[in-house]
Amino acid sequence: AQTVTQSQPEMSVQEAETVTLSCTYDTSESDYYLFWYKQPPSRQMILVIRQEAYKQQNATENRFSVNFQKAAKSFSLKISDSQLGDAAMYFCAYRSVLGYGGSQGNLIFGKGTKLSVKP
Amino acid sequence: NAGVMQNPRHLVRRRGQEARLRCSPMKGHSHVYWYRQLPEEGLKFMVYLQKENIIDESGMPKERFSAEFPKEGPSILRIQQVVRGDSAAYFCASTQTALNEKLFFGSGTQLSVL
Repeated sequence: AQTVTQSQPEMSVQEAETVTLSCTYDTSESDYYLFWYKQPPSRQMILVIRQEAYKQQNATENRFSVNFQKAAKSFSLKISDSQLGDAAMYFCAYRSVLGYGGSQGNLIFGKGTKLSVKP
Repeated sequence: NAGVMQNPRHLVRRRGQEARLRCSPMKGHSHVYWYRQLPEEGLKFMVYLQKENIIDESGMPKERFSAEFPKEGPSILRIQQVVRGDSAAYFCASTQTALNEKLFFGSGTQLSVL
């Protein structure tokens, strides 16, 4: 079974600085998807960025980018020019390719990292 | 285009009562996933439904929990005879097709059991 580990329960960053959130995962599959979700106090789960495992190029979305190291099974999120609105829980998630190993496409989440942004 | 709608946002029940949580997927979406989030934890998969079918319920507790997604109307997660340990945030997510890897989440229902 796949597992997702986020080893940093809490992180803090100064406004306008850069912060990196760590995520490692365990799988025997060769193709899959990885995601970072943001959960602000409103509780809404917001998709930040996603990565297809077969793509070597790291995904980027404006100030958000990932460092995907497939061999190391690592998927870290870098937030550049941090803003106060970035303060939230961040969850790393894994999804198998549909049908692979019986997968029905459900997400497997890490426990999250709480990010604080200092003004 | 409205997103995934969940109601109620907060639900308080006494031990032994029933809880019904509703989820209306995004327009055009016919696949629904339910997740549970305990305090200080990530979301845990419970069940995956398509219209009128339960596809995967491997994450559902064996007793007291059930889910449905009728042809018409919202998906319902039902918890009978609630206990304090059922207190959690329950999220649903929808997707347009089974092949689409993007799940869109609702804002969740916070269930509190007194």
